[in-house]
Amino acid sequence: AQSVTQLGSHVSVSEGALVLLRCNYSSSVPPYLFWYVQYPNQGLQLLLKYTTGATLVKGINGFEAEFKKSETSFHLTKPSAHMSDAAEYFCAVSRGGGADGLTFGKGTHLIIQP
Amino acid sequence: EAGVAQSPRYKIIEKRQSVAFWCNPISGHATLYWYQQILGQGPKLLIQFQNNGVVDDSQLPKDRFSAERLKGVDSTLKIQPAKLEDSAVYLCASSFGLAGGNEQFFGPGTRLTVL
Repeated sequence: AQSVTQLGSHVSVSEGALVLLRCNYSSSVPPYLFWYVQYPNQGLQLLLKYTTGATLVKGINGFEAEFKKSETSFHLTKPSAHMSDAAEYFCAVSRGGGADGLTFGKGTHLIIQP
Repeated sequence: EAGVAQSPRYKIIEKRQSVAFWCNPISGHATLYWYQQILGQGPKLLIQFQNNGVVDDSQLPKDRFSAERLKGVDSTLKIQPAKLEDSAVYLCASSFGLAGGNEQFFGPGTRLTVL
């Protein structure tokens, strides 16, 4: 079984400050890891994903994440927050066993202070 | 390229009634997923199809939920009878193949309220 833990249901940062959203996972097989963003009244949009290879993954809108196997973590960062980054962020891991449905964390609501 | 389409966008029913949701995936996408997102939680996988076959339905409450994907394209998810705890957003997603790591594209969801 796989699981995802996102630390902090709400994170508040000032505009221009570093964004750090934490994600830890458990998986019995090498995981595929994802970050999705959900804007109000919109569907989920993929920010970035890790499958194999380079452990530092760059995504859209200036976000990046680093896969750290020893820490079972996949934290999401952005050097400088923008007001438009305010949204719900979900970390997810792909299920194993031949099926690739996603197991999501509970989400982190990112608040940007002007 | 058109995205994943879902209808209706909103539905309000009373408990014990039946309801059905429809999903049209992105053209050419063989894999289709249904997720349930309860308020304040992340989406939970209900069922995954590859073409018109079921790959994973281990988390589908089969006593009241059913889903089909006839002809390997459109899909419907049905709840009969609905319970109060079924109030949620039902998300449909599709991806090109079955290999792990494929991006899943999500539709806007159907918001179900059970009174």
